[in-house]
Amino acid sequence: SYVLTQPPSVSVAPGQTARITCGGNNIGNKNVHWYQQKPGQAPVLVVYDDSDRPSGIPERFSGSNSGNTATLTISRVEAGDEADYFCQVWDTDSDHYVFGTGTKVTVL
Amino acid sequence: QVQLVESGGGVVQPGRSLRLSCAASGFTFRTYGMHWVRQAPGKGLEWVAVVSYDGSSRYYADSVKGRFTISRDNSKNTLYLQMNSLRAEDTAVYYCAKAVVEYSSGAGGGMDVWGQGTTVTVSS
Repeated sequence: SYVLTQPPSVSVAPGQTARITCGGNNIGNKNVHWYQQKPGQAPVLVVYDDSDRPSGIPERFSGSNSGNTATLTISRVEAGDEADYFCQVWDTDSDHYVFGTGTKVTVL
Repeated sequence: QVQLVESGGGVVQPGRSLRLSCAASGFTFRTYGMHWVRQAPGKGLEWVAVVSYDGSSRYYADSVKGRFTISRDNSKNTLYLQMNSLRAEDTAVYYCAKAVVEYSSGAGGGMDVWGQGTTVTVSS
């Protein structure tokens, strides 16, 4: 089955840039979606189709995808960005949706 | 506003059944695919099942295939998850979520609206 690997944690100072990677075999050939989840809350879609933002999501959130790695970039990080982030794809070989392992972003 | 509200969770013994519901409002339910996603305590997100906008296509995670059934009633704007032969490892918060793409067959895309979740605990 298709596996998406994320770093368990990323730490970043306020105002700096956080980059969260999502590794998968030829993930560049798939559409990647990213979710933010704060403790006790439901996930929120922050980027879809690699780099599009839903309405209401700040421009500070951006995405890219190439080769074997997709990346969610959070610019000018704020304390409110502290959360778990998950990537997600549709695997055409198995007809399954797959979520990444998740990355906890800590704002120092 | 666009809203999804899950219900039907609870404590159930292993081997028993439970049916979850998800009431949708604020959007044209009948034109969007719908998902169930679960999260075990302290763990990540696990996709469970998806149904196309018209109910004609359904896909399941291997962990629930043959035990769970996703369905929808577009006349009631409601999504369901029938869970049979429940196991301890099915213990989780279950979320329903709406597909981003309209008229989705269920194969592909993101999930742009999520409910608050309903908790299922399987324990003797």
